[in-house]
Amino acid sequence: ILNVEQSPQSLHVQEGDSTNFTCSFPSSNFYALHWYRWETAKSPEALFVMTLNGDEKKKGRISATLNTKEGYSYLYIKGSQPEDSATYLCALDHAGGTSYGKLTFGQGTILTVHP
Amino acid sequence: GAGVSQSPRYKVAKRGQDVALRCDPISGHVSLFWYQQALGQGPEFLTYFQNEAQLDKSGLPSDRFFAERPEGSVSTLKIQRTQQEDSAVYLCASSLTTLYSNQPQHFGDGTRLSIL
Repeated sequence: ILNVEQSPQSLHVQEGDSTNFTCSFPSSNFYALHWYRWETAKSPEALFVMTLNGDEKKKGRISATLNTKEGYSYLYIKGSQPEDSATYLCALDHAGGTSYGKLTFGQGTILTVHP
Repeated sequence: GAGVSQSPRYKVAKRGQDVALRCDPISGHVSLFWYQQALGQGPEFLTYFQNEAQLDKSGLPSDRFFAERPEGSVSTLKIQRTQQEDSAVYLCASSLTTLYSNQPQHFGDGTRLSIL
């Protein structure tokens, strides 16, 4: 059974603060690491798909890094805004010989940005 | 529409009733996934379709759960003789390609199922 862990479980920050959270996963048979943002009453939205050790991706004020050797990924949000409030999910796609994109999700980090 | 569409958005059923949840993926997407998300948890894989073929149903929790995608587009997840533990959000996702893909998955809004 794969164990994908996210920390912290929840986070409250003030508008303008920068923040980051962690996704830990087993490093064996790694294929890709996905990050999704899930706002209340909406569908999960893909942020990044990361595949290479040392990968760093950026989308506006959000960026992510990947370390496949030690099994972790960080998500950073610079200058948080209230609209960043959401649950952030990471998910592991592990190549088991016949990987087709089957994802194992962490439990999510709930971010609340206070005005 | 351009996105993945799920219906109904909310479903309330009495214990023992059968329910059917519908997913309309993005047109042309080969892969279709169903996930179950219990309160406070991340989504958990239920089943996977490549076109009309159900290639993995290892996540279905019991034989009361059945999924189909007969024409390789719309999919239905059916739960027979519902139990309270079936209460969850059921998410459908589709992606363009298949094997060894690093494509993101595109999710619907989910169906929130409550069993009374």
